[in-house]
Formats: sequence, structure tokens, C-alpha cells
Amino acid sequence: EADIYQTPRYLVIGTGKKITLECSQTMGHDKMYWYQQDPGMELHLIHYSYGVNSTEKGDLSSESTVSRIRTEHFPLTLESARPSHTSQYLCASSVRASTNEKLFFGSGTQLSVL
Amino acid sequence: GNSVTQMEGPVTLSEEAFLTINCTYTATGYPSLFWYVQYPGEGLQLLLKATKADDKGSNKGFEATYRKETTSFHLEKGSVQVSDSAVYFCALSVAGGSYIPTFGRGTSLIVHP
Repeated sequence: EADIYQTPRYLVIGTGKKITLECSQTMGHDKMYWYQQDPGMELHLIHYSYGVNSTEKGDLSSESTVSRIRTEHFPLTLESARPSHTSQYLCASSVRASTNEKLFFGSGTQLSVL
Repeated sequence: GNSVTQMEGPVTLSEEAFLTINCTYTATGYPSLFWYVQYPGEGLQLLLKATKADDKGSNKGFEATYRKETTSFHLEKGSVQVSDSAVYFCALSVAGGSYIPTFGRGTSLIVHP
């Protein structure tokens, strides 16, 4: 059902590398989110966007950055990856800001930093 | 602030057993309530939702009733299957501010044949 795509699915990289996790949705949704999911499964909001040229930091302090130049695209960048960044990263979108709106999630990127 | 508390897992059941996963919440306003499910290797997907008190959300044999008096939204299923093995997240969303959903910590369900 979900038309939201994340690439790569798995990524193993060395410390200090710059990486970009891609997220695209074809549903025309205004709002997009990035979550970090820890091994205990808890979700932590790291960034979100209300629409083009809008980006906000979430609850979890993060060394990552995001951009929203196009409605459908919301990439997450780590300038210098560290082992503490090893985690599952989930991208999500919703039609608009509303209490009733459900989130659509991608399948996630499992990042391992050595 | 807003928060969601779920029972800790893993919950381990035999096939055809009755399932309850407890969820309670605190909210500054009048929330909508959700259950999401995450199957192995996938992202989350909405399982069911309820938007006002006494509403019952239902889907795929799962049910949850919005109980304002006890601030609860417990997930139930009468007869679980092995394919129900997944992580279940309770969530709420409140009007005003950023409408960012608040998620519980997730409860892992393991169903044995």
C-alpha cells in the first residue's frame, strides 16, 4: 500500500564517512519524518518537514541534517558517521498536519558504522 | 506533555490464544489513538485507529476501544496466528502544535505454532 521508498536497504560503512540516506514518496504528501529506531524498537523522531523548504529538528539530538527541496524527496545526511550512528532509520510521510492522519512508513535503512 | 505507555514484551503465545496488549496514555488535549504494526524487516503500518471516546477501531481481527475514563486503548485479538508475530506500537496525536504523533516503546509479539 505504501508508496514510500528508502535506499539503501542496508549500509555498512567506516567511521568518518559522509553518507546520505534517501527517502522518496509518490503520494504528494506534505509532511515527512525521519525516525531512528533503537535495538529495543523504540522510535525517536530526529527530523521532520511540513513541506518544501521546511525542516525541523525532532526530539532526539542528532548530528544529521535534512533537506526538502522537492515535495517527494527528503534525504538524511550524516557528515561524519560514527559507530554510535549504527541504527535502523525509518522515513515516514503523511498527507497533512492532522490528528487523524496516519503515517506511511518506508521499509527502513539499517546502517552499521564500523 | 503527551506520552504513551505500553506493556513490556515479548509477549509469547501459542497459536489460537487470546491476545491483549495494554496501552495507556496521557495527553494535554483530546487525542486520536492508533495502533501500528511492524513485521520483521519492514516499516510500520497502521493497524487501526479511533478518534473519539468509546470508538472501537478494528482490522484483521484486532480490536481496540478508546476508553477516556481509564485513558486506555488496549489491543485485543481473539485468536492469534503465527503470522501475527510482529512488534506493535500504540500512538497518539493531539490537535495543536505540530501534530507530531507520540509513539509507545513497542511490544513484541511472538506466536508459536
